[in-house]
Amino acid sequence: GAVVSQHPSWVICKSGTSVKIECRSLDFQATTMFWYRQFPKQSLMLMATSNEGSKATYEQGVEKDKFLINHASLTLSTLTVTSAHPEDSSFYICSAITETQYFGPGTRLLVL
Amino acid sequence: KNQVEQSPQSLIILEGKNCTLQCNYTVSPFSNLRWYKQDTGRGPVSLTIMTFSENTKSNGRYTATLDADTKQSSLHITASQLSDSASYICVVSGSSYNTDKLIFGTGTRLQVFP
Repeated sequence: GAVVSQHPSWVICKSGTSVKIECRSLDFQATTMFWYRQFPKQSLMLMATSNEGSKATYEQGVEKDKFLINHASLTLSTLTVTSAHPEDSSFYICSAITETQYFGPGTRLLVL
Repeated sequence: KNQVEQSPQSLIILEGKNCTLQCNYTVSPFSNLRWYKQDTGRGPVSLTIMTFSENTKSNGRYTATLDADTKQSSLHITASQLSDSASYICVVSGSSYNTDKLIFGTGTRLQVFP
């Protein structure tokens, strides 16, 4: 099946710094990718829809200036958590669509 | 309101036993229903996907059923293995896959003990 990768798989950073997470579709092109956040023992929550060549669409309550999304190519979308705070600590998962939706392995972010 | 509810919230079974997980949804319009398996600390992996006209679909020891009239689905796991320990998430899509807005259930956490 199709493969979606994320990098890094985990990251620890200090409060106030910015962190960039990459999402790549390895064997297919994806004009649309999705970014999710998952807190412990909860289900995935859609943060935003990343569209290649255009602005991302953010879900209600998600700050677009804090979670910067760039979808510069058909195989890469990036999520930058700016000025990260401890409450941003979470599991971030991206997904991309080909014949169905494939999820990446996730990135665990810990903000100290 | 579009919702997907799963039960039970958690389940413990012995290796080799069968189990059935439930999913009820109130999503309209309805496009398809998917079951995903999510290992701890990993992204979800697709098990099955069913459209309105499909009643059952199997993937190895996993068999999903769908009753579009009652808006219920189940995932049956046969002869469970230790590696089946994971969260199982029911996801409903209310649109075509091209604009794939998914409604996620909160999942059932399955633990299989030897």
